[in-house]
Amino acid sequence: DAGITQSPRHKVTETGTPVTLRCHQTENHRYMYWYRQDPGHGLRLIHYSYGVKDTDKGEVSDGYSVSRSKTEDFLLTLESATSSQTSVYFCAISESKDYTEAFFGQGTRLTVV
Amino acid sequence: RKEVEQDPGPFNVPEGATVAFNCTYSNSASQSFFWYRQDCRKEPKLLMSVYSSGNEDGRFTAQLNRASQYISLLIRDSKLSDSATYLCVVNGGGTGTASKLTFGTGTRLQVTL
Repeated sequence: DAGITQSPRHKVTETGTPVTLRCHQTENHRYMYWYRQDPGHGLRLIHYSYGVKDTDKGEVSDGYSVSRSKTEDFLLTLESATSSQTSVYFCAISESKDYTEAFFGQGTRLTVV
Repeated sequence: RKEVEQDPGPFNVPEGATVAFNCTYSNSASQSFFWYRQDCRKEPKLLMSVYSSGNEDGRFTAQLNRASQYISLLIRDSKLSDSATYLCVVNGGGTGTASKLTFGTGTRLQVTL
């Protein structure tokens, strides 16, 4: 299995609080992604990174920010959590732009109450 | 219309049966295609890539029909362990910093004794 870990794996937080999710990889892959998965929707891209300090928005980026200060770490921050951000969050990595294969972390189950 | 559409199922089949899933996509410029498997409460994992006219891997066969914009997954001699959700994934290409990967909502398969 690819070396990609997410932390925490589960979190319950209150509305209005900031939350940071961490993705750590040991594969030295250039591309890293944050997705959310909700019932009735496919995985939806929140933000992605194509290198250290290089990030861009995905299709559902509102309310989220990211940072990548090292190749191996990609952080997702919910600035002020809302109930609509209750979801399962997956980090993914890929070696190339063309998604020859994307490897996913085990997911973080976030509940905003 | 969704960019990638799948029948959500569930498909309930007996062990040993052959089952097929279809997936349609709307972006005719899509460049590459994948089937991912996702077990309950787990991360998606690549099952097969579908690059040209299709390919086979053991009991699994993936086909691509560019003219009709659909891909299919055929599973022969179904096993209990094949029970999972199968995600159709389309790489829409793009000239930006990363390719646009779009996920279907998945087709659930339940193989029974």
